[in-house]
Amino acid sequence: DAGVTQSPTHLIKTRGQQVTLRCSPISGHKSVSWYQQVLGQGPQFIFQYYEKEERGRGNFPDRFSARQFPNYSSELNVNALLLGDSALYLCASSSSGTSVSEQFFGPGTRLTVL
Amino acid sequence: AQKVTQAQTEISVVEKEDVTLDCVYETRDTTYYLFWYKQPPSGELVFLIRRNSFDEQNEISGRYSWNFQKSTSSFNFTITASQVVDSAVYFCALSEASYGGATNKLIFGTGTLLAVQP
Repeated sequence: DAGVTQSPTHLIKTRGQQVTLRCSPISGHKSVSWYQQVLGQGPQFIFQYYEKEERGRGNFPDRFSARQFPNYSSELNVNALLLGDSALYLCASSSSGTSVSEQFFGPGTRLTVL
Repeated sequence: AQKVTQAQTEISVVEKEDVTLDCVYETRDTTYYLFWYKQPPSGELVFLIRRNSFDEQNEISGRYSWNFQKSTSSFNFTITASQVVDSAVYFCALSEASYGGATNKLIFGTGTLLAVQP
């Protein structure tokens, strides 16, 4: 079975631009979460979606938004990019969105903002 | 407040040595979950273990073992007879079952870089 997939792998943007990152969960998984990992740090929780509804949001500005589609794939959008948004963006899927369960992570999208 | 501390930033060992990675957590909840993830240079986080707060039994999986002690709020990870392939960053993480509706919010530590020399 395919694991969590993310696209694109790498992305270079300039300040002020907007970016969309995509994630496809493991087949049968209905919950998707997004994390931001700045170099040298642990991942920081951004969003969780379950059954197309937002279940939680981390301490990130409104420039960050996300959505989940009927096929449970998800997009993360970041507007008005800042240099500090440069990071590895990780998507994780899990089978449950109503109880704590193992999350399986994708390879990530490395975003560089110049 | 929820917090995970991994005080060891980097550890270097020679192959076949045993190594223990420390993890200390803070939470006010009585129900919580602890995780360990491995992040090799490729960047993808690999799930290693999940343990809930009511199960303090130590666990062994091959060369890996975990020591959960609620009395000291620690969840340490030991690799026995380390191998070069074990070289990676290891993250300890905490999830509180009672956190609002976000059941999958993981609070990560800053990670420990393990370098296993041949």
